Amino acid sequence: GAVVSQHPSRVICKSGTSVKIECRSLDFQATTMFWYRQFPKQSLMLMATSNEGSKATYEQGVEKDKFLINHASLTLSTLTVTSAHPEDSSFYICSARHQGAYYEQYFGPGTRLTVT
Amino acid sequence: AQSVTQPDIHITVSEGASLELRCNYSYGATPYLFWYVQSPGQGLQLLLKYFSGDTLVQGIKGFEAEFKRSQSSFNLRKPSVHWSDAAEYFCAARPSNTGKLIFGQGTTLQVKP
Repeated sequence: GAVVSQHPSRVICKSGTSVKIECRSLDFQATTMFWYRQFPKQSLMLMATSNEGSKATYEQGVEKDKFLINHASLTLSTLTVTSAHPEDSSFYICSARHQGAYYEQYFGPGTRLTVT
Repeated sequence: AQSVTQPDIHITVSEGASLELRCNYSYGATPYLFWYVQSPGQGLQLLLKYFSGDTLVQGIKGFEAEFKRSQSSFNLRKPSVHWSDAAEYFCAARPSNTGKLIFGQGTTLQVKP
């Protein structure tokens, strides 16, 4: 149980285009989802927290107009990188918190974004 | 500021040898503590967690961790390392009053045959 999927696993896009990454909780309802960014050989940095039906809360320094997060249902959150640039190339990981299990987060497998 | 520190960036051990990965946290109160493992290009898998109670926590894949309040530490151990344990290991902490996980810098484990 407690499986989180991400789609796509890898994406290459051209500079200036937008790309959407999906995060799904497959076998549980996730009231809260988190989006992280990880640069090579570095740790995970929290970008934003999204609660189902509410606006996402962004961490300091994260551009909310560039990284659009939507959490429209208890099993799906999306991250859209708008007008992507090469510096947005990174590994994006989502995690989901099980409704009623306040203390644990389950992580998706990640999405490798390359902007050319 | 609240932080998690993993002092060792890279560790190499021989297969069959014991392993200890260090983790220290800086918080006013004891946070919830976690160890995750990440294989190359993959997401994170939870190895074990500590919320309260017994300070020696057993996890998956033969890992254990010991919480020491006096040292603000939560070190990960394994008595005998397997080649498949080679990966990146992250210690993380979550203050009891927020939902945010804060990660350490990670420790890369290399296993020699």
